[in-house]
Amino acid sequence: DQQVKQNSPSLSVQEGRISILNCDYTNSMFDYFLWYKKYPAEGPTFLISISSIKDKNEDGRFTVFLNKSAKHLSLHIVPSQPGDSAVYFCAASEGQGGSEKLVFGKGTKLTVNP
Amino acid sequence: DGGITQSPKYLFRKEGQNVTLSCEQNLNHDAMYWYRQDPGQGLRLIYYSQIVNDFQKGDIAEGYSVSREKKESFPLTVTSAQKNPTAFYLCASRDGAGWRGYTFGSGTRLTVV
Repeated sequence: DQQVKQNSPSLSVQEGRISILNCDYTNSMFDYFLWYKKYPAEGPTFLISISSIKDKNEDGRFTVFLNKSAKHLSLHIVPSQPGDSAVYFCAASEGQGGSEKLVFGKGTKLTVNP
Repeated sequence: DGGITQSPKYLFRKEGQNVTLSCEQNLNHDAMYWYRQDPGQGLRLIYYSQIVNDFQKGDIAEGYSVSREKKESFPLTVTSAQKNPTAFYLCASRDGAGWRGYTFGSGTRLTVV
């Protein structure tokens, strides 16, 4: 059973517009969430994270929102740039005493069109 | 600079042969992980190790083996028992006492013909 779900395999937006990538989770023990960005034939790179004690974290053009009651988080990219075109993975981690593993979603491929 | 090195970048093997993928890190991280990426499947955990001389199976361990004799190294062997070995393999590490995210290597693309 998938504990972290990214239901949109792909997303296409115009340069300058907002990109919104969504992620849902089922495990209520998750307390730390991350977004990774991955280009083809490369390893994922860390983008932004959020702890469950917060509902928003911002870093430049990237903002992650967390809605714990809905078990939902989203990544907003504003404004979107062609270089943002990549696969984005949502990942979640359990709290202290839980698993040391990150649980990943299947990814959303973002295409930003010039 | 500290990081994770995976080698080689591309690897070709004949069906029925075992092959070992290298993963070395100089980050002094305690935990190391092996993932496999297939189109539409995301990242699937093969094996992980939280300390030297100890490792656990992930979700898709069948047909794979690992060792963790040194903190810096976590090689993955893809055996002939793995039914679909052609994939992109990613190694990652994590500081057990610090940030809860992973640092990833650049990956190895294995093609079995």
